[in-house]
Amino acid sequence: SQTIHQWPATLVQPVGSPLSLECTVEGTSNPNLYWYRQAAGRGLQLLFYSVGIGQISSEVPQNLSASRPQDRQFILSSKKLLLSDSGFYLCAWSLPAGMLSGKLFFGSGTQLSVL
Amino acid sequence: AQSVSQHNHHVILSEAASLELGCNYSYGGTVNLFWYVQYPGQHLQLLLKYFSGDPLVKGIKGFEAEFIKSKFSFNLRKPSVQWSDTAEYFCAVNSNSGNTPLVFGKGTRLSVIA
Repeated sequence: SQTIHQWPATLVQPVGSPLSLECTVEGTSNPNLYWYRQAAGRGLQLLFYSVGIGQISSEVPQNLSASRPQDRQFILSSKKLLLSDSGFYLCAWSLPAGMLSGKLFFGSGTQLSVL
Repeated sequence: AQSVSQHNHHVILSEAASLELGCNYSYGGTVNLFWYVQYPGQHLQLLLKYFSGDPLVKGIKGFEAEFIKSKFSFNLRKPSVQWSDTAEYFCAVNSNSGNTPLVFGKGTRLSVIA
């Protein structure tokens, strides 16, 4: 069966420090991968999605970047964190046809606090 | 670009009360519509979805949603809520005509009290 791993679960970082959140998927090949952010009162905001290795689509211009160095690995990064980067970050995957089926499988999330 | 509006931020209901959560979307083309639910301490999961056909969609746990194209709406309903329905509910949309990711609403927190 397919599983998605996301870590760390919680992270407290000072302003200006770098960020690296990792997400891996097991049990499937060539998944579509997504990073969402859930901020208080703002719902789920799509940040990045990827349909293949090295292919990244950015939905919201901001202080963050994403990379997909391997088929089932999706990394969210920042060179210098801002206070406004605080939030709950969710990784998700879907089957290659998933963008049409809408069936996303979410990870357990990372609560990021930038102080 | 697509957008989704959920007008109710927090809804508080007593057990056995009826539920209706509003969802309106903005998009000029054909869409797929979804409701996701996040129970406390659990992952987001799909509750129900609409692609085409009967505009009244039945989901798990007695939930249903009705697609009204003229109103650009996809409201979620349940005739009688239970304490276990306490969760956050997200409406989402994507285009039916291309490989586009889901766009979510801001979510509605439902609290069911005894």
